[in-house]
Amino acid sequence: DTAVSQTPKYLVTQMGNDKSIKCEQNLGHDTMYWYKQDSKKFLKIMFSYNNKELIINETVPNRFSPKSPDKAHLNLHINSLELGDSAVYFCASSQEDQETQYFGPGTRLLVL
Amino acid sequence: AQTVTQSQPEMSVQEAETVTLSCTYDTSESDYYLFWYKQPPSRQMILVIRQEAYKQQNATENRFSVNFQKAAKSFSLKISDSQLGDAAMYFCAYDGNKLVFGAGTILRVKS
Repeated sequence: DTAVSQTPKYLVTQMGNDKSIKCEQNLGHDTMYWYKQDSKKFLKIMFSYNNKELIINETVPNRFSPKSPDKAHLNLHINSLELGDSAVYFCASSQEDQETQYFGPGTRLLVL
Repeated sequence: AQTVTQSQPEMSVQEAETVTLSCTYDTSESDYYLFWYKQPPSRQMILVIRQEAYKQQNATENRFSVNFQKAAKSFSLKISDSQLGDAAMYFCAYDGNKLVFGAGTILRVKS
């Protein structure tokens, strides 16, 4: 059983389009996260949710909107995609803040 | 803001040998967690080891161990008896109220 899953694994799209990435965890964790890994492999947190409530919102453009329908899901919607959005996006979850985070397999987004 | 520095962009080790990856961090907090994650070419982020700052004892997980020096804000990872499967990018991470990653160290294992 996959603990943290993301769909799709790969996403190729044109500039200006809107796309969503879905994340689900079956670990019973309370906290979920989105990270962005750029072309230089640098990983940075974007958002975190605890029990469906937004806890961390880094300086991410408004075009990025996370949505948590329940505590097992945290989706990422991106409007008006730009070339600079090309990256690998990771979802993660943990039982609580500062607990070990378990990562999904990542979604490679390529904006053309 | 907390920062994590990995000063070695790339390291090589002979199979069965030991290698140490360096990590330093900057924080004014006294209670935090430190992690090493491994990212093989499959890009999956895999937890290697975790250390609670309040624990003086260094964490170990089989062939992986850390040297945690709280006063020096240093958290190095030692891999003993290196195996080909250890080849990956290794990330050091600090968690005070959010997870902050270093830039990563590519580890190559030579047979």
